[in-house]
Amino acid sequence: GAGVSQSPSNKVTEKGKDVELRCDPISGHTALYWYRQSLGQGLEFLIYFQGNSAPDKSGLPSDRFSAERTGGSVSTLTIQRTQQEDSAVYLCASTLRQAPNEKLFFGSGTQLSVL
Amino acid sequence: GQNIDQPTEMTATEGAIVQINCTYQTSGFNGLFWYQQHAGEAPTFLSYNVLDGLEEKGRFSSFLSRSKGYSYLLLKELQMKDSASYLCAVAGGNTDKLIFGTGTRLQVFP
Repeated sequence: GAGVSQSPSNKVTEKGKDVELRCDPISGHTALYWYRQSLGQGLEFLIYFQGNSAPDKSGLPSDRFSAERTGGSVSTLTIQRTQQEDSAVYLCASTLRQAPNEKLFFGSGTQLSVL
Repeated sequence: GQNIDQPTEMTATEGAIVQINCTYQTSGFNGLFWYQQHAGEAPTFLSYNVLDGLEEKGRFSSFLSRSKGYSYLLLKELQMKDSASYLCAVAGGNTDKLIFGTGTRLQVFP
């Protein structure tokens, strides 16, 4: 696609429910990143994929968070048993390849609100 | 540990010049990025510095001093549309991800 696409753009859920957030990276981009942005906070790294593998899951806050990527393309971030502190904007980004000087192309994010 | 500091908020007047500073302490260094993020939108790339010195791109310039762990983003001839958050991010030495600062919210007034 022309850009990184994320869905849904907004998600309101009740505490304790599971949610799935989707990211469609730019076609041909091999690296995919998930970040979280809370109000007044910087972007917090969650996980990154190179192809379908996740070499770095160090940012996932707890075992309620998981992510997968299939076909080297679409990625899904799943949050189980959501808590109010999970409320944030979840941003996905992709790069053509994994290298320090590669600029990230971001999606517009999913605003998650846990009531 | 890794730490990136930048001011939380700044204000400036249309037509003026503003400098947004960023200091960092990271394990290794593979470059520093600046991104612009308008409210409710995705961050977009502005600049990348890996060598010391000033890189100029139109109204925006970015400076890096690796020995001082310091960078700044310089915005000239400010326009109202420059009101946004400016994110400083560092590619560390042994990491495969960018570490972001909290961002500087810039408000440009007429």
